[in-house]
Amino acid sequence: GESVGLHLPTLSVQEGDNSIINCAYSNSASDYFIWYKQESGKGPQFIIDIRSNMDKRQGQRVTVLLNKTVKHLSLQIAATQPGDSAVYFCAENGTDKLIFGTGTRLQVFP
Amino acid sequence: GAVVSQHPSRVICKSGTSVKIECRSLDFQATTMFWYRQFPKQSLMLMATSNEGSKATYEQGVEKDKFLINHASLTLSTLTVTSAHPEDSSFYICSAFGVPTEAFFGQGTRLTVV
Repeated sequence: GESVGLHLPTLSVQEGDNSIINCAYSNSASDYFIWYKQESGKGPQFIIDIRSNMDKRQGQRVTVLLNKTVKHLSLQIAATQPGDSAVYFCAENGTDKLIFGTGTRLQVFP
Repeated sequence: GAVVSQHPSRVICKSGTSVKIECRSLDFQATTMFWYRQFPKQSLMLMATSNEGSKATYEQGVEKDKFLINHASLTLSTLTVTSAHPEDSSFYICSAFGVPTEAFFGQGTRLTVV
């Protein structure tokens, strides 16, 4: 759903471990979901997307899982690297506009 | 892939002046573009939907006289922050849907009003 001005939660992982970032969406009618990565001072960068007729989609080192029953989306990053450190947002396409979730800051430490 | 270019990347202006931010789709036509605002450590908040050849659609709570949007062509949308105040200082980001429905984002504009 729409952000209400909360500070970003932070996920800290060790380099090489897997990361799981979660997101709850608000509109049960949304049929398209996207994960974005945002580095400091830059615009969002597309990572992976999934449509509502799927429950899993895999990319390179990333997997998105969709649970429509509980309106939950997750992003799994395998073998997390320092370059993965950023803020990650999920977005839902409802009524032809993207609404962003609150976001999660991923910190990767050696 | 499709590219959205946003300009300027940074701007500092005095209170009371107006600032224009441009958003261009470089290799595709976008009948619809979106303007977002982002405060530090917060998510992107949709401000308005820019429609080519017609009036923009503003989200609730966004002052349309304060944030003027013009979408005069299929590749250009502009956001003008009028009579800027320090509380307008923020990161402004535009996006456009490419084909089929992937959204591409500009680099963002850091506005600082002093």
